[in-house]
Amino acid sequence: DAEITQSPRHKITETGRQVTLACHQTWNHNNMFWYRQDLGHGLRLIHYSYGVQDTNKGEVSDGYSVSRSNTEDLPLTLESAASSQTSVYFCASSATGVDEQYFGPGTRLTVT
Amino acid sequence: GDSVTQMEGPVTLSEEACLTINCTYTATGYPSLFWYVQYPGEGLQLLLKATKADDKGSNKGFEATYRKETTSFHLEKGSVQVSDSAVYFCARSPPGNQGGKLIFGQGTELSVKP
Repeated sequence: DAEITQSPRHKITETGRQVTLACHQTWNHNNMFWYRQDLGHGLRLIHYSYGVQDTNKGEVSDGYSVSRSNTEDLPLTLESAASSQTSVYFCASSATGVDEQYFGPGTRLTVT
Repeated sequence: GDSVTQMEGPVTLSEEACLTINCTYTATGYPSLFWYVQYPGEGLQLLLKATKADDKGSNKGFEATYRKETTSFHLEKGSVQVSDSAVYFCARSPPGNQGGKLIFGQGTELSVKP
C-alpha cells in the first residue's frame, strides 16, 4: 500500500544546530507540504512543492528550507534551530490542487 | 482572504449523545470540502469529503453535507462513542490559482465520556 512516512518520529536538539526532518511518500504525488502544529495555532504551512525542483514559502517559512530533488522526498531543514521551533511537524502530499492531502505520522521536535 | 471557521472546543459529550461540529467557509470559487480527524499522537486522517454543492460525505457514522447557500459543512454523528474522542479539522480546497494548499480551520477537540 502507498504511504507517507516521516523520520525521525522524535528528535531533541540544541539551539543553533542544523536539523533535517525526512518525509517520503510512495503515492507518486506531485504536491508535498510541510506543516507545524502548535497549541492554539492549529496547522500552519511552512513550505510546499508542486513538483521536482519546485519549492514555495508558506506562512511561517522563516528559519526553514526545503529542496525537492525527486518526486518521493521533501526534506525539511532547520538551518539553526531555535526554541521557538519546538513543535510537531507534519508532512503531507496530494495528487492535484483540489484533492485531499494525505498526512504522515508527524515528528515531535524539541529544541533545548 | 479565504478562510474556514469552526466552532471552538473543547466539546464534551456523553457516550451515545448526538454530535454537531459547525464549519463555515469563505465562498471563493467552487471548493472541495473535507473533514479530517486527528487521534492523540497521530497525524491527520481524512474522515470524509464532498466535492460539489448538496453532496453528502459519510464515513464511520459521520456525515456532512455541502451547503452552498449557507457556505457550511457541519459534521454530524447520531451516537458518539468514547473512541471518537479526537480533534476534528474542517478544510476547503484553495481558489483555482493557489494549487494544492488546503485551508484548514483551527480544529475542534471532542471528548466523549463513558
